[in-house]
Amino acid sequence: SQELEQSPQSLIVQEGKNLTINCTSSKTLYGLYWYKQKYGEGLIFLMMLQKGGEEKSHEKITAKLDEKKQQSSLHITASQPSHAGIYLCGAATNNAGNMLTFGGGTRLMVKP
Amino acid sequence: NAGVTQTPKFQVLKTGQSMTLQCAQDMNHNSMYWYRQDPGMGLRLIYYSASEGTTDKGEVPNGYNVSRLNKREFSLRLESAAPSQTSVYFCASSGQGSSNQPQHFGDGTRLSIL
Repeated sequence: SQELEQSPQSLIVQEGKNLTINCTSSKTLYGLYWYKQKYGEGLIFLMMLQKGGEEKSHEKITAKLDEKKQQSSLHITASQPSHAGIYLCGAATNNAGNMLTFGGGTRLMVKP
Repeated sequence: NAGVTQTPKFQVLKTGQSMTLQCAQDMNHNSMYWYRQDPGMGLRLIYYSASEGTTDKGEVPNGYNVSRLNKREFSLRLESAAPSQTSVYFCASSGQGSSNQPQHFGDGTRLSIL
């Protein structure tokens, strides 16, 4: 089965600082999804990456997919307290993309 | 815009009791999923339904049953609850097309079994 490892497991940054979260797969990535979860709430879809080298941005969050390394990174620029939460990556385990394996998550705290 | 709605939001059960978790989506999605989320284990797929009328086992199906009632609704049943089933349960749905579609999640059901 496919395994996803996220690093770091937790992160505390000062407001305004940049940060990067990594997601590494043990197998080929058919598609990679990033979600954000606020404490005690559901998952909010952020971005989906499908092709090697693909890069997507939304507001101050950028995600990249390195197909050769079977890895994706999520970069937040000039972090804000509103960025705090748990970031999860999910990888499609088949071409249809309808079955996902999730990483263990990265807990982000942003200190004002 | 409701999206994916789960009921109840919280539930406490005694060992051996049964209950059904309800999930409904209003996005006309074909596929629906049930996950459980445990500390240190991430999200694990229990069952999924690729389309109305079909269901398949995921990674951790033991102790659970599902019913895809219609296109909108997908329920998860615990026949005889055990303390190991204490968890947060999430329902999700996704559309179907020529390319991968993201899954959209409900707010979860927090279930404690004593």
